[in-house]
Amino acid sequence: AQSVTQLGSHVSVSEGALVLLRCNYSSSVPPYLFWYVQYPNQGLQLLLKYTSAATLVKGINGFEAEFKKSETSFHLTKPSAHMSDAAEYFCAVSPPLYSSASKIIFGSGTRLSIRP
Amino acid sequence: DGGITQSPKYLFRKEGQNVTLSCEQNLNHDAMYWYRQDPGQGLRLIYYSQIVNDFQKGDIAEGYSVSREKKESFPLTVTSAQKNPTAFYLCASSIEGQGYYEQYFGPGTRLTVT
Repeated sequence: AQSVTQLGSHVSVSEGALVLLRCNYSSSVPPYLFWYVQYPNQGLQLLLKYTSAATLVKGINGFEAEFKKSETSFHLTKPSAHMSDAAEYFCAVSPPLYSSASKIIFGSGTRLSIRP
Repeated sequence: DGGITQSPKYLFRKEGQNVTLSCEQNLNHDAMYWYRQDPGQGLRLIYYSQIVNDFQKGDIAEGYSVSREKKESFPLTVTSAQKNPTAFYLCASSIEGQGYYEQYFGPGTRLTVT
């Protein structure tokens, strides 16, 4: 079975500071991993995805994530936080196609607040 | 532009009434999903459908029903049996990438039942 765990339900950083949102996964097969962002009263938007190519994945809005197999992690980072980054962030893992599981598993989410 | 539409954005109903939430996609995706989101909580899967005329219960299907008569449409009915229907409802569809599922989301419908 696959699962993802997001450490920290709420993270607060100052504008211009480093953003680090943590995600650890559990998977018996090579995972496909995603980060989504959700702004208030909106749907989820795909930020970036890891699909076994490069371990460092760049996404939209200056975010990137690094896949570390030895640490079973896929943490999301951004060098300099902007006020517009305030949102909820979800980590997710996809099962392989045509496996017995057909559902993407989402983490519980991390709310990112930006202090002026 | 291709995408997923959910209507209406806000929906108000009286307790005891059934209500149907619309979800339409023009992405030609086979699979579609319904999630419920409560304040400060993550996504909980209600129902999903991998193909027309077939659907499966998710983790919290009680009090909900769905149909999948067309590939592009996956309406969700919140019945009077659902004890706490007030929530934000998200529809999604997925494409099969190179060995994995990639999910896209609609803008959501906020349902308030009083």
